[in-house]
Order: sequence, then C-alpha cells, then structure tokens
Amino acid sequence: AQSVAQPEDQVNVAEGNPLTVKCTYSVSGNPYLFWYVQYPNRGLQFLLKYITGDNLVKGSYGFEAEFNKSQTSFHLKKPSALVSDSALYFCAVRGPYGNNRLAFGKGNQVVVIP
Amino acid sequence: EAGVTQFPSHSVIEKGQTVTLRCDPISGHDNLYWYRRVMGKEIKFLLHFVKESKQDESGMPNNRFLAERTGGTYSTLKVQPAELEDSGVYFCASSKWTSGSNEQFFGPGTRLTVL
Repeated sequence: AQSVAQPEDQVNVAEGNPLTVKCTYSVSGNPYLFWYVQYPNRGLQFLLKYITGDNLVKGSYGFEAEFNKSQTSFHLKKPSALVSDSALYFCAVRGPYGNNRLAFGKGNQVVVIP
Repeated sequence: EAGVTQFPSHSVIEKGQTVTLRCDPISGHDNLYWYRRVMGKEIKFLLHFVKESKQDESGMPNNRFLAERTGGTYSTLKVQPAELEDSGVYFCASSKWTSGSNEQFFGPGTRLTVL
C-alpha cells in the first residue's frame, strides 16, 4: 500500500526566509510524487510533480522539490517565503502500477510571519 | 478553461437524512475521482470513474455511499442515510488521461456536516 507522512502539523517561517515542508513516502516501485496547495476556501491547486528524470523539480510560484530515493523523501522548498504562501500544503504519491488513486499526507499548515 | 466545480459548497444535515453532492469535471476529462478529508486527517480516495464506468471503488466506506456518472459528464455522490462520521470535506478531481503520471485537478470541495 502507498502512504505519505508529513511529520509537522504547522510550519512557521519569517517572510524572506527559506521555507521547507517535509514529506516522506512509501510505495512499491518507482513513485509518482505530487505537491498540492490549498488556500482558504479554495480547492487543492497543483504545484509540481516528480515522475522521472532530474531529482530537482521546479513548479509554480517559485516552489521546488527534491526527490531523494534513498531517503524516500520529496521535500518542498522555496528560497524566500512570502506572506501569500501561507496555506495548507499536501504531499501525495501513487505507484507506477495498477490504480490511479493518490495517497495523501495529512497536510502541513504553513504560516509566513511578516 | 473552467476548473472542476462542486455543488453545494456547504451542506448541514441531520443524521439519517440524505445528501447528494455534485461534481462537474473539466470539459474533456474522462477521469473523475472522489476523495474525502475528515477533519485534520489525510485526504482519502473514494473512487475513480473512467467516463461512466467505475474503474476503482475500493475506497468507498460502505453501502450508504452511492456514486454515479451517467453519460460520463458530471458525477453525483449520494450519502443515504448520513451518519455523524460522514462529516468532512468531499473533493472531486478530474484528469484527461488515465496515466498515473498525470496530475489531477481538484475542485473546491463540499463541506458536509452531519448533526
């Protein structure tokens, strides 16, 4: 079975500082990994994905994520956080075989302090 | 291009009542998914349609939940009768291709409260 762990409930960061949201996964075979963001009263918005190739993936709004196979991690990063980055972030995984269902972590609330 | 839309945005019902949630996927997307997030927990998969066919309904919690996608366009998710533990946010998502490498586009969700 596929699963995702997002160990921190909330991440607080000062505006302008680097932002990291952690994600580790478990899946059979090579993973497909995704990050989504949910702003208040909005749906989940796709940020970026890793399918294959370069371990560093760049996405929307200056976000990037690094795939680390040995550590089974896919941490989301942004070099300089903005107040507008305050939102709920979800990591998701699916395996390369069988069904298309995504397995999500429980989400991390990011609070960027002005 | 319009995104995935869901109706209603909120629903408050009494235990034992029936509620029907609706999802309109992005036009041209054959794949439609339902997920649910119970407060503070993970978002969990419920089922997957390819056009009008149920590809995978292994996440449906029990037979009080019925999903349909007649004609392969919009989908409905009916809960009958609703129980307290059914409260949560129900998300719908769609994708054009069945390949798992394709990202799924999510709607804003329906927040269901069962009293």
